[in-house]
Amino acid sequence: QKEVEQDPGPLSVPEGAIVSLNCTYSNSAFQYFMWYRQYSRKGPELLMYTYSSGNKEDGRFTAQVDKSSKYISLFIRDSQPSDSATYLCAMSAGGGTSYGKLTFGQGTILTVHP
Amino acid sequence: EPEVTQTPSHQVTQMGQEVILRCVPISNHLYFYWYRQILGQKVEFLVSFYNNEISEKSEIFDDQFSVERPDGSNFTLKIRSTKLEDSAMYFCASSTETQYFGPGTRLLVL
Repeated sequence: QKEVEQDPGPLSVPEGAIVSLNCTYSNSAFQYFMWYRQYSRKGPELLMYTYSSGNKEDGRFTAQVDKSSKYISLFIRDSQPSDSATYLCAMSAGGGTSYGKLTFGQGTILTVHP
Repeated sequence: EPEVTQTPSHQVTQMGQEVILRCVPISNHLYFYWYRQILGQKVEFLVSFYNNEISEKSEIFDDQFSVERPDGSNFTLKIRSTKLEDSAMYFCASSTETQYFGPGTRLLVL
């Protein structure tokens, strides 16, 4: 079983739709959960991060973590064409005051069309 | 807003040659990382660096790879003798807690 699994899509939605992106993982040691956005041939850009289970909201974005199911989600409300990108989940067990080595999912390619 | 920078943006080299990829982390960050992404594949961890030493490395990071922080601002990844399979995008990241990534260096080994 892969450590982190993410459906690569592609996912295509109309502008204004609610988008749901998901990852599952197998390593119980993961405590820190992040979502990055990556545009073509660019570096990953941090969107949101959460520690342990629960929800976190930032504008149109909501991140959810369910450690009991080893399942994390990112919801995008009122999606815009500018949200079109690859979304990467990433997680770590942490270490000291740094979140440590990140393990990434495959990435989901999202296209929001006008 | 502070950002991680990387040079060069693209590098083409012959198999067996040495390459050095350079990164300038965000100035108050203490933890530094290298990741790579082979075209169409996941971003993979290579190495983390803290307090002037390697804190963790992956099985990819073999004796052909080395990292260095030669001064107070730069962080480098050296590949001693490049192979075709080293062709990838190499990302530097730095953190206090969450990791911020640079734009990457695209390395092509011919």
